[in-house]
Amino acid sequence: GAGVSQSPRYKVAKRGQDVALRCDPISGHVSLFWYQQALGQGPEFLTYFQNEAQLDKSGLPSDRFFAERPEGSVSTLKIQRTQQEDSAVYLCASSQGLGSYNEQFFGPGTRLTVL
Amino acid sequence: AQRVTQPEKLLSVFKGAPVELKCNYSYSGSPELFWYVQYSRQRLQLLLRHISRESIKGFTADLNKGETSFHLKKPFAQEEDSAMYYCALEEDDKIIFGKGTRLHILP
Repeated sequence: GAGVSQSPRYKVAKRGQDVALRCDPISGHVSLFWYQQALGQGPEFLTYFQNEAQLDKSGLPSDRFFAERPEGSVSTLKIQRTQQEDSAVYLCASSQGLGSYNEQFFGPGTRLTVL
Repeated sequence: AQRVTQPEKLLSVFKGAPVELKCNYSYSGSPELFWYVQYSRQRLQLLLRHISRESIKGFTADLNKGETSFHLKKPFAQEEDSAMYYCALEEDDKIIFGKGTRLHILP
C-alpha cells in the first residue's frame, strides 16, 4: 500500500517568504509527527497529532512555525517569514497509535532551502 | 541536553568483519530504545527496537543499563549494510534521535 507522502519534495524560498509543507499519512493512522533534520544532524521532534488534536508542540522552534491537521488526516506545517536557519529537511511520520509498539513510518521528507 | 549520543560520525568496516555502532543515552527510568536506518535514496525506517528483542538483517542490540548503552552489532558486515544509522529513544510518545553514524562497508 501507499506509504507516507510529502509535498513538495523540494522547496526554495527567499528569506521572509511563507511556506507550507504537506504530509499525507498512511490511511487509518491516527498519529502524525513532524521532525526537522538539519544537515549532518539527526531528526528533531517538532510536534505531533492524535487525530486532529495537537498534543505536543514543544519542539516548534519559534512562533513562526505552525502545524495543523484539521480533519485528522492530512497535515500542513507552515513556516512564516522564513529565515536561513529554517533550511532543513522536514520529515513527517505516521503511526497507528502512540507508544513504543506502534512503529512510526516516515515520509521522504521536504528539503527546504531558504536563500 | 543531549539524550542520545553516537560518538562516531563515520565507521568504515571491511566486508565480513564485525560491526559495532555505539550508542549511549541519558534517561531516568526504563528507556524504550530503537535503531533506525536510512539507506541511500530511501526513507528513514525502523531497524529494531529494544522491547521486541529481535534480530533484523543479522543486527542485534542489547540494552546495558549499567553503562547506559544500546550498541548495535552484527558479526559479519555485508556491503548492503552501508547506510546511515540513528539510535533513538522514546520519551512521552516522542522519538529523540542521536546525530547518526554513517556505516561504510569496504569491499
